[in-house]
Amino acid sequence: EDQVTQSPEALRLQEGESSSLNCSYTVSGLRGLFWYRQDPGKGPEFLFTLYSAGEEKEKERLKATLTKKESFLHITAPKPEDSATYLCAVQASYNQGGKLIFGQGTELSVKP
Amino acid sequence: GAVVSQHPSWVICKSGTSVKIECRSLDFQATTMFWYRQFPKQSLMLMATSNEGSKATYEQGVEKDKFLINHASLTLSTLTVTSAHPEDSSFYICSARDLGHYNEQFFGPGTRLTVL
Repeated sequence: EDQVTQSPEALRLQEGESSSLNCSYTVSGLRGLFWYRQDPGKGPEFLFTLYSAGEEKEKERLKATLTKKESFLHITAPKPEDSATYLCAVQASYNQGGKLIFGQGTELSVKP
Repeated sequence: GAVVSQHPSWVICKSGTSVKIECRSLDFQATTMFWYRQFPKQSLMLMATSNEGSKATYEQGVEKDKFLINHASLTLSTLTVTSAHPEDSSFYICSARDLGHYNEQFFGPGTRLTVL
């Protein structure tokens, strides 16, 4: 069964304290792995798509990496405005319709 | 680019009434749109996949007669919650698949439905 597991469930950091969020996945052929940021009461905001093991993408303080079993979202020197829930999702290669399988999310809190 | 809108952003209705939620892709064409439901402190739960010009595909356990989906154009999908009850109260979010951007999906801002 296709599955996505994110850890930790919640992460509290001090401003400037770098860390990583993990997304482990099991899927029958990966078409793509997606990272989203979601603020309370809002829809998810697209961050990155990764397609193959070894791929990396960066945006400001965020860097996403991908292996054959997991993805990491590295946050360098976070600021309070980075506080949000970060969602990971995968799309299976057999799913031509584009259905995403989401993890439960990691709630990040960055204190000043 | 890749902006998805939803209307209304919130709605309060009485039990037994029907509510329509619109999802629009503003700057791209979306042959496929998705409807999700999200409970507090939980992840997104896919309700159905909406394809332009054809019937929606519902996930297991989702009542197709209660949650009517119409995808009449390449930029608009609607979700109608029929005969709403308090247990239908939730945060409903749509997403649109942008084939011009390697199959990425972009989400709307969500609609908060409260059924009294």
